Amino acid sequence: QVQLVQSGAEVQKPGASVKVSCKASGYTFTSFNINWVRQATGQGLEWMGWMNPNTANTGYAQKFQGRVTMTRDTSISTAYMELSSLTSEDTAVYFCARTQTGQPHMEIWGKGTTVTVS
Amino acid sequence: QSVLTQPPSVSAAPGQKVTISCSGSSSNIGKNYVSWYQQLPGTAPKLLIYDTDKRPAGIPDRFSGSNSGTSATLGITGLQTGDEADYYCGTWDSSLSAGVFGGGTKLTVL
Repeated sequence: QVQLVQSGAEVQKPGASVKVSCKASGYTFTSFNINWVRQATGQGLEWMGWMNPNTANTGYAQKFQGRVTMTRDTSISTAYMELSSLTSEDTAVYFCARTQTGQPHMEIWGKGTTVTVS
Repeated sequence: QSVLTQPPSVSAAPGQKVTISCSGSSSNIGKNYVSWYQQLPGTAPKLLIYDTDKRPAGIPDRFSGSNSGTSATLGITGLQTGDEADYYCGTWDSSLSAGVFGGGTKLTVL
């Protein structure tokens, strides 16, 4: 079945970087975009950016420009989100989610990766 | 501060109907399709409604969506205790060139 499987929980120190992976299965990886959304404990959803796995084109929320990098490895159908210069404000659950090109709705979500900055 | 505005909470009795509003602007809801997500405690969001009023396969017709100008509404009829969750609206903002969400609405089924 179609699914996105994310990497395990991370604990990082302030100032460090974290790289979260999102492995796609059950569909053609390069046919759909991957978005990243985060959620701090007790807070709402925050969109971080998108990547087209076919072209590697990306678009980032202004808040994360210069600090986030979204990449992919098509040989293993995996997308990555790297966030640098971490602070305690980056402690959150990070989700990857699939969208169709040109469509805003996120139809398939990963289970989330908890990132703790402490 | 979220770009889209939702009420923090709504409540209703089992079997009743509830609506959740989502207010935006001409650059987001006024220009792009709205989607709605259900997030049960401790789980990832799940797509409930897309393109304003379409339901993915497997989503019961108790859930409906509508749009009027720069606002959208999620309707849930025949409320069940299993519907207790946080609900988020989302869309694309053409001015920001970014995805945007509402702050979320907690539904309590009394």
